[in-house]
Amino acid sequence: AQSVSQHNHHVILSEAASLELGCNYSYGGTVNLFWYVQYPGQHLQLLLKYFSGDPLVKGIKGFEAEFIKSKFSFNLRKPSVQWSDTAEYFCAVNGANGGSQGNLIFGKGTKLSVKP
Amino acid sequence: GAGVSQSPSNKVTEKGKDVELRCDPISGHTALYWYRQSLGQGLEFLIYFQGNSAPDKSGLPSDRFSAERTGGSVSTLTIQRTQQEDSAVYLCASSQLGGYTFGSGTRLTVV
Repeated sequence: AQSVSQHNHHVILSEAASLELGCNYSYGGTVNLFWYVQYPGQHLQLLLKYFSGDPLVKGIKGFEAEFIKSKFSFNLRKPSVQWSDTAEYFCAVNGANGGSQGNLIFGKGTKLSVKP
Repeated sequence: GAGVSQSPSNKVTEKGKDVELRCDPISGHTALYWYRQSLGQGLEFLIYFQGNSAPDKSGLPSDRFSAERTGGSVSTLTIQRTQQEDSAVYLCASSQLGGYTFGSGTRLTVV
C-alpha cells in the first residue's frame, strides 16, 4: 500500500540547533516528493519538492531535503532553526506521472517547537 | 482569485444534520482535491477531480460523503447525517503544472 511515515511526532529544539525530520515512503514506481509546512493558524505552504535530477533539494527559508532512493527516504534538514520555524511539517508523495497533479499521500506530520 | 477559497471557515452542526462545504479553486487549475485533517492523523485524501474525467472517489470514508465540481470550477463536499467522528478540518487544494495550492480549510465540529 502507498504510505508515508514520519517517525517523529513532536520535536522540541532550542534556537540555533540543527534539524532533521525523517520521512520514509512506500510507493510502487517513480515518485515525486514534497515537504509542506503549516504555521499555527495558517494554511499549508510548500517548502520544497523533488521531481528529478539532483537529489539534494533546496527550498525556502533555508530548508533542504535529500532524496535517497535506496532508503525510500526524503528527510528534511535545516542547519540552524529559528523560533519562527515553529510549525507542523508534512511529507508527501505522488506518482511521478502525476507531476504537480494527482493525489498527494501525506504523512501524519511532525510538530516542531523551537524554544527561544 | 489569487488563492483557493473555502467557505465557511468554521461550521458547527448537530449530529445527524447534513453539511455542505465549498471550495473555489484558483482560476484555470484543472485539478481539485479534498482532504480531511484530523488531530494527529495528518491529511487524509478524500476525492480528486481532474478536468472532465470521472473523479477519483477512493478516499471517501463512507457513502455519507459525496462531492461534485460544477463547470470545472467550484466544488462542494457534502456530508450527510453527520457523526461526531466527522469533526475535522476539511482542506481543498487545486493544482496546475506549477504545483498544489491549499485553501485555509473549513473546521467542522459535530456536536
